[in-house]
Amino acid sequence: EPEVTQTPSHQVTQMGQEVILRCVPISNHLYFYWYRQILGQKVEFLVSFYNNEISEKSEIFDDQFSVERPDGSNFTLKIRSTKLEDSAMYFCASRAPDFGSYNEQFFGPGTRLTVL
Amino acid sequence: AQSVTQLDSHVSVSEGTPVLLRCNYSSSYSPSLFWYVQHPNKGLQLLLKYTSAATLVKGINGFEAEFKKSETSFHLTKPSAHMSDAAEYFCVVSDLGNDMRFGAGTRLTVKP
Repeated sequence: EPEVTQTPSHQVTQMGQEVILRCVPISNHLYFYWYRQILGQKVEFLVSFYNNEISEKSEIFDDQFSVERPDGSNFTLKIRSTKLEDSAMYFCASRAPDFGSYNEQFFGPGTRLTVL
Repeated sequence: AQSVTQLDSHVSVSEGTPVLLRCNYSSSYSPSLFWYVQHPNKGLQLLLKYTSAATLVKGINGFEAEFKKSETSFHLTKPSAHMSDAAEYFCVVSDLGNDMRFGAGTRLTVKP
């Protein structure tokens, strides 16, 4: 069964460093998303991406964040200068095109980012 | 904008007894509603979804949920809890196929 994959599973970085979190969505999906979950808190939407551009973003997704689909398979989230409060689990999700009914998002297993 | 409220942060049941996890939603449109489960140190798994078809939705592992527009509710139920059901459960709403808004989660504990 196709699934969303994310690498690495755990990333440890120093404050101020840049990190890139990688995701491989399900191959025929066209909508891509990033969410984060700070430990003990709820899952929060960061950004959605369609047709090679951001379609929606939350107030969390400031200038420190960027997303990219560098090739036909990967979808990346970059944090330019990490802060302690960026420590969280980051989930990637993808969704198939809608044909008459809304399709759910499929989530990857997450990348745990720890900023020291 | 859409939102969900999960009315209980923690629910504890005994194995073999019914489970009820409550969710109320707010949406400007006809929403799509979902329940996801997250086991410790695992990703998010879809339990079931409502997308304007039948109001009683059956999901995996014996779970089901009923969409009640008049009450703006989408409560998750299971007739008989199993130890493996212990996890965090998230009610999620989505308008027009855009971003999904998660509830704060309900932690389900199942006692032997």
